[in-house]
Formats: sequence, C-alpha cells, structure tokens
Amino acid sequence: EVQLVESGGGLVQPGGSLRLSCAASGFTFSSYWMNWVRQAPGKGLEWVANIKQDGSEKYYVDSVKGRFTISRDNAKNSLYLQMNSLRAEDTAVYYCAREHSYGFVWGQGTLVTVSS
Amino acid sequence: DIVMTQSPDFLAVSLGERATINCKSSQSVLYSSNNKNYLAWYQQKPGQPPKLLIYWASTRESGVPDRFSGSGSGTDFTLTISSLQAEDVAVYYCQQYYTTPYAFGQGTKLEIK
Repeated sequence: EVQLVESGGGLVQPGGSLRLSCAASGFTFSSYWMNWVRQAPGKGLEWVANIKQDGSEKYYVDSVKGRFTISRDNAKNSLYLQMNSLRAEDTAVYYCAREHSYGFVWGQGTLVTVSS
Repeated sequence: DIVMTQSPDFLAVSLGERATINCKSSQSVLYSSNNKNYLAWYQQKPGQPPKLLIYWASTRESGVPDRFSGSGSGTDFTLTISSLQAEDVAVYYCQQYYTTPYAFGQGTKLEIK
C-alpha cells in the first residue's frame, strides 16, 4: 500500500524558514516524480513544485520561485521542501503527492502557519 | 500556463439524481504520443486529502464506484455522478497534469438538495 507521511509543519513568523519532509513507503520511490501541493484554509488546491526521479529536474509555481527548494533522498525514500522567506500567504496544508500518468496519490498533509 | 475553470462553483442535487460538473482548460491537455488526456478528477471531503476518482479524463480509479464517470477530450471535460448518494457530498476538483505548472480547477462544492 502506498503511504506518504508529511512532517515538519508548524507555526513560523513571517520571514522565517521551515523544512517539510515526506516519508514514502509501499512503492519504489526512486521511480516516480514527486510533488508538493498546498491548500490554504478554506481554499482550493495549488500545485507548488515537483522533482524528477533522480533530482535532475525541478519545477516551481511562480509564487515560490527563489524562496522554496524541493529535494529528495532516494536512499531514504524521502521528499523535502525547504521554505525560506515565508509570508502569511504561504499558510496552508502542504501535501506530498506521488505523480504518475494515472494522476496523483496524496499524503495526509502537514499544516504550516505563518503568523507573528 | 494552463488555466482550469470549473462550473458550477456550487451544485445541489437530490439523492438518486444525476450530478454533472464541467471543467475547461485554456489549452489542450491531449498528449499526442499516446492519445491520452492528462486530466484527473479528485474528491475531497472535509479534513481529508484529495482522493483520485478519474484519470486520463475517463478511466475510473480502482475501487471507485461505477456511478462516477468522466468524459471529454482536448479542452472540455465532464464528471458525472449518475445517482447521487449521501456519501458523495464533497468538493470536486479537476486537474491538468499535462505540463507544469500543474493546475487545478477552483473546485465544485456538491451538496444534497
């Protein structure tokens, strides 16, 4: 069974940093593109970033370019999102998602709150 | 960037009746090499992550009830629930995963009339 477990969320002040992690199991992690998707409270889904199987390609939504960095460690079956210069509008549940031509499979999410 | 637009934003349907949600993409999401539309539908209930219902615009995910169906190609897509059940109350999203930035529709909130 595919499992994706996010961690690392919490309360952070504007301008601060946070690193999210996603532990994957139940599938061959190194064979899949992986994604981060976020959802602000009461709002819709917003794709944030994705990374190729070997980490050689990374793509970001414009609003996080230069502030967020996606990375992965295939030996640890883990996906990461380093978030710097956080803003109030980054407040959201952040989901880790496995990408396939069949669509996305999602973790449960971790809440990030940016507030003073 | 591809923009996804769903209609309606809110939908109220009686139990046992048909529910239809539309999704339009600003560009085609048909991948010519395999003739597949990279369009998915998700269901999200409160406090839960999205759940994949339909991929390639019309292929039902394993375990999804057959009252859910998807149709369309190119830029215009539809999710149909043939006979609404109480457990289908949720927000439904379409998503294009043809090219980054991947985009979601704004969501359609489905309720019981």
